[in-house]
Amino acid sequence: KAGVTQTPRYLIKTRGQQVTLSCSPISGHRSVSWYQQTPGQGLQFLFEYFSETQRNKGNFPGRFSGRQFSNSRSEMNVSTLELGDSALYLCASSYDGQPQHFGDGTRLSIL
Amino acid sequence: GIQVEQSPPDLILQEGANSTLRCNFSDSVNNLQWFHQNPWGQLINLFYIPSGTKQNGRLSATTVATERYSLLYISSSQTTDSGVYFCAGVKAAGNKLTFGGGTRVLVKP
Repeated sequence: KAGVTQTPRYLIKTRGQQVTLSCSPISGHRSVSWYQQTPGQGLQFLFEYFSETQRNKGNFPGRFSGRQFSNSRSEMNVSTLELGDSALYLCASSYDGQPQHFGDGTRLSIL
Repeated sequence: GIQVEQSPPDLILQEGANSTLRCNFSDSVNNLQWFHQNPWGQLINLFYIPSGTKQNGRLSATTVATERYSLLYISSSQTTDSGVYFCAGVKAAGNKLTFGGGTRVLVKP
């Protein structure tokens, strides 16, 4: 069974641009969650989607948004990028109520 | 939300040594997981353990849900065990994992 796939693996952007990250969950998993990891703040929850609906949301500004498609694939968008958005973005999927499995992440650098 | 505290923050081990990592939760959780993050950033599932004890090779974990803590045991450590170990829990409905700050483990040959 294929694991959680995140694309791209690495991304370099400049301040003010926007970026879209993609996550394909494990087959059969309908829950997809996104996390941000930075050296200063650690691992923080961004949002969770289940059956195309946002079910939980973390404490991030509105510049961070996401969506989920009917095939459970999810995208995360960050608009008006700031230097502080440089981070490792991790996506996790689960069969609801079961352990979450993480992808390899997208490392985003803002210049 | 819940707070998750991990101790110790850093651990240096000689290859072959045993160690115990601890995770305390400020409130009860429905779901508790332990992860290992390798130097490449990959977050690997170790245990899904809301309560009880589980073992997987040289690793084992125990969660005492009534006292809101979990322990991860590493026995006969190897250099490949180096990395950061995280525990995380889910408090309410859904899958919002709250992570601890991690324990950075370095195993020396």
